[in-house]
Amino acid sequence: AQTVTQSQPEMSVQEAETVTLSCTYDTSESDYYLFWYKQPPSRQMILVIRQEAYKQQNATENRFSVNFQKAAKSFSLKISDSQLGDAAMYFCAWPKNSGYALNFGKGTSLLVTP
Amino acid sequence: DADVTQTPRNRITKTGKRIMLECSQTKGHDRMYWYRQDPGLGLRLIYYSFDVKDINKGEISDGYSVSRQAQAKFSLSLESAIPNQTALYFCATSDPQGGQRTGELFFGEGSRLTVL
Repeated sequence: AQTVTQSQPEMSVQEAETVTLSCTYDTSESDYYLFWYKQPPSRQMILVIRQEAYKQQNATENRFSVNFQKAAKSFSLKISDSQLGDAAMYFCAWPKNSGYALNFGKGTSLLVTP
Repeated sequence: DADVTQTPRNRITKTGKRIMLECSQTKGHDRMYWYRQDPGLGLRLIYYSFDVKDINKGEISDGYSVSRQAQAKFSLSLESAIPNQTALYFCATSDPQGGQRTGELFFGEGSRLTVL
């Protein structure tokens, strides 16, 4: 079975601090991409960052970075210098077999406190 | 204007009514999807379409049907709505031919459906 799991339904971080959201997945694929999407209260799904599985280097987009452990099938999102606007639901995602669609984790709700 | 547009954005209906959610896109993508979001369950795939003549069921297609009227339009229907179909519905597109073949999905703004 191919699953994406997020073990932290809710997390909280203070402004300017760093927080890490975890995601584990299961796949037999060798060439694939992993994604983190953000869903603010506006409910729009916004791509935060993508990771190419065959690249050793972890992806980085400004304050957002990933810690990708391919052997452990782990794909965590680190948010540095957290801002109030980072408060949202975060979903990790992984392509289904043959890449015809994405599987989504159950989401982590991030609260950012002043 | 949004690249992927969903209508209606919000809808309240009664059990047994027929409901259609519409999706149109200007991204020129061939692949279109309907997902359902429920609290604590993430997003689950209802139907997907690779072109006008290719429509496929996802993992939760029971109670739903779709129509791909054109490359840019993909509609989701609930023939007889029931309360457990109350959810947030997303249309999405992808483009496996363009740029990097990443599988990234591009989402509409969502349609919140409440079935009483």
